[in-house]
Amino acid sequence: AQKITQTQPGMFVQEKEAVTLDCTYDTSDQSYGLFWYKQPSSGEMIFLIYQGSYDEQNATEGRYSLNFQKARKSANLVISASQLGDSAMYFCAMREGRGNYQLIWGAGTKLIIKP
Amino acid sequence: DAGVTQSPTHLIKTRGQQVTLRCSPKSGHDTVSWYQQALGQGPQFIFQYYEEEERQRGNFPDRFSGHQFPNYSSELNVNALLLGDSALYLCASSSATGRLSVGQYFGPGTRLTVT
Repeated sequence: AQKITQTQPGMFVQEKEAVTLDCTYDTSDQSYGLFWYKQPSSGEMIFLIYQGSYDEQNATEGRYSLNFQKARKSANLVISASQLGDSAMYFCAMREGRGNYQLIWGAGTKLIIKP
Repeated sequence: DAGVTQSPTHLIKTRGQQVTLRCSPKSGHDTVSWYQQALGQGPQFIFQYYEEEERQRGNFPDRFSGHQFPNYSSELNVNALLLGDSALYLCASSSATGRLSVGQYFGPGTRLTVT
């Protein structure tokens, strides 16, 4: 079974609109962390935002926020006021349990911002 | 402050050959992880090095091996190359005492093509 599922292979969004990128995860651990990364065409992964499983509030970092619904096992990334520079691949990743250093990644969503 | 650096940027090898990829972590980081990212997919965790030891390994064969040096830099070695080893190899660094919420810092990757 897929541990991280990103159901949107690609998305087109008008500049300045908000966009939600979906991510669902599967784990039996109570302690885990969820990450979102951005990968521009240059290839380098850029860390965006983190949500711990015990965090009671949704994480926010500037224009990025994470809509964390623990019971539904979803961790959607919301980008407000999208910009042309937001065009990139976006990956959701999970680190399960304590003492586990491996990041498990989804297949990614390609986001294209239209002017 | 230099970020994560990787060399070489691109590499073309023939099936059966051996390859060594290099990574220097971000200043202040002591942990290095390696990932393989096939075209159109999310990264796959290969292994992580800390204190010059392999701390955790993903589901990769023994043909993949690594090393970490006292200055925290790391090498990834792949023996008996297969066509399926063609991918972007990403190196990520972090601090063992750092907060999870800051994520890992990634290098620009090495694009390996096996012919």
